[in-house]
Amino acid sequence: EIVLTQSPGFQSVTPKEKVTITCRASESIGRTLHWYQQKPGQSPKLLIKYASQSISGVPSRFSGSGSGTDFTLTINSLEAEDAATYYCHQSSSFPLTFGGGTKVEIK
Amino acid sequence: QVQLRESGPGLVKPSQTLSLTCTVSGGSISNGGHYWSWVRQYPGKGLEWIGYIFYSASPYYNPSLRSRLTISVDTSKNQISLNLTSVTAADTAVYYCARVPGPTDGLDVWGQGTMVIVSS
Repeated sequence: EIVLTQSPGFQSVTPKEKVTITCRASESIGRTLHWYQQKPGQSPKLLIKYASQSISGVPSRFSGSGSGTDFTLTINSLEAEDAATYYCHQSSSFPLTFGGGTKVEIK
Repeated sequence: QVQLRESGPGLVKPSQTLSLTCTVSGGSISNGGHYWSWVRQYPGKGLEWIGYIFYSASPYYNPSLRSRLTISVDTSKNQISLNLTSVTAADTAVYYCARVPGPTDGLDVWGQGTMVIVSS
């Protein structure tokens, strides 16, 4: 099973700051890595697919990069509405797995 | 626009079978080449992939649940079903169904989730 390790687990950030979340896979997964945003009481929402591909309707301040084992989700100029927990997810091999999540709090 | 809605009992007794249904509206399960997935989220945060199915193929299961799990599709009702036998408190979670455009894609449409508590 591929283990996804996210860091940090929690981040408290001031609006307009840049946020960087990392996801490390226990073995190479190419670019089959996706990012989700989950706000309290809501279902996860797909933000980025295949490491860096944008999703229609998602603000352009969200971007992804990486390949192999190391991936990054970047939120440029954080807004208050971005307070949420962010998860990475790999679809390279079964069982599909998720990272443990990164909670982003607005200061 | 495709929407998913999970339904089922909110409380299940230990050792019994958990049965959930995901009803798809705004599109047909058998059109579009999509896969349909179940994911659960434990209280406190973690997400676990349960399995997924393509309407005309055998499902893929998480090995940790395979011995207790059945996922099936009813195209006439446009529904995906999940049955999990011999449940314990460890199966207490919010259960989501989600659409997967292709076998390695991200989960692009999610239901609102349904909370299931396993307790006597």
